[in-house]
Amino acid sequence: EIEMTQSPATLSVSPGERATLSCRASQSVSNNVAWYQQKPGQAPRLLIYGASTRATGLPARFSASGSGTEFTLTISSLQSEDFAVYYCQQWHHWPQTFGQGTKLEIK
Amino acid sequence: EVQLVQSGGGLVQPGGSLRLSCSASGFSFSDYALHWVRQAPGKGLEYVSAISNNGGLTYYADSVKGRFTISRDNSKNTLYVEMSSLRAEDTAVYYCVKREGLGIPGPFDCWGQGTLVTVSS
Repeated sequence: EIEMTQSPATLSVSPGERATLSCRASQSVSNNVAWYQQKPGQAPRLLIYGASTRATGLPARFSASGSGTEFTLTISSLQSEDFAVYYCQQWHHWPQTFGQGTKLEIK
Repeated sequence: EVQLVQSGGGLVQPGGSLRLSCSASGFSFSDYALHWVRQAPGKGLEYVSAISNNGGLTYYADSVKGRFTISRDNSKNTLYVEMSSLRAEDTAVYYCVKREGLGIPGPFDCWGQGTLVTVSS
């Protein structure tokens, strides 16, 4: 099973600043990676797939990159609604696996 | 609007059984693979199971293999998971999810609202 390791576990950032979240796969997953945002009491929401393709309607302040084993999600100027938990996911190998999440909190 | 509406769930004793349902609308149901993902209280996301668009292929995480059965009724636009021999560690919010685009493995672009399954005596 592919392990997806996210770092940091918690990230404290001030509104308006940039946030960079990382995800590392235990072996290559090509670009078959997605990022999700989850707010308390809500289902996750797809943000990014194919490592860098934004989901429909996603603001341009969200961007992502990476391939192989290293992936990054960047939020360029944090808005209040961006504070949430973020998960990466790979589907290159069965079973699909998720990272343990990064909690993005207000500094 | 693409929508997945879940039903079922609740409290069940260890060793018991439960069936979850997921009713879909807003897309061509029979074209897409569907999946179940769960989240234990306060924990991260765990992949559970998948079914191909026509129901001919199914996949299970090792943690549920032999105990859970995924199925779908394309005439009713509904996805199911039958859970048996339930254990305390199966306690979680269960989400039905739709794959973005065609194929089976892949990103999930639509999630149900989630339903809580609690396994406890």
